[in-house]
Amino acid sequence: AQKVTQAQTEISVVEKEDVTLDCVYETRDTTYYLFWYKQPPSGELVFLIRRNSFDEQNEISGRYSWNFQKSTSSFNFTITASQVVDSAVYFCALSEASGGFKTIFGAGTRLFVKA
Amino acid sequence: NAGVMQNPRHLVRRRGQEARLRCSPMKGHSHVYWYRQLPEEGLKFMVYLQKENIIDESGMPKERFSAEFPKEGPSILRIQQVVRGDSAAYFCASSPPGEGEKLFFGSGTQLSVL
Repeated sequence: AQKVTQAQTEISVVEKEDVTLDCVYETRDTTYYLFWYKQPPSGELVFLIRRNSFDEQNEISGRYSWNFQKSTSSFNFTITASQVVDSAVYFCALSEASGGFKTIFGAGTRLFVKA
Repeated sequence: NAGVMQNPRHLVRRRGQEARLRCSPMKGHSHVYWYRQLPEEGLKFMVYLQKENIIDESGMPKERFSAEFPKEGPSILRIQQVVRGDSAAYFCASSPPGEGEKLFFGSGTQLSVL
């Protein structure tokens, strides 16, 4: 069965601090996809990244970086030099090819960035 | 190329009324997924449809909820005899044929039941 765990319910940081959001997943599939989404207070879902199970390379996009480690079933997300606009709920998600790409979301981590 | 369109953006219903939520997938997308987000929770899968077919409805409540994706027109999520517990944000996503991992989400419909 697939499962996504985001153990951090809320994180509060001061602007310019670095922050890492943790994500641990469970799956029996060998082909799967991992995602991060941002949900700002306005409510829409903003796609951040998709990573397939065969690509363990870490990725950096501006202030965002992702660390995918199959050995620990983790897909962590780091924001460097956080800004107030980063305040949002962040969701990690998992989609299995065998499951028709039905995406399972974690419970989310609410990030507060204070000025 | 318009994204996934959901309407209405906000829907208010009284207990016992029906709610109809619409989702127009991106052009060329033949797969539609519906998700529900209860307050302060993550998104929960409800149903996966292709044109004229329900592929997976394992997340749909057994009663009062139904979904369709007709050959022509938008996908509809229908909730009959709404109750306060149905108040939530309902998100629709679509994907191209053969590329189910490429999900594109709409902006959601916020349903409030009075």
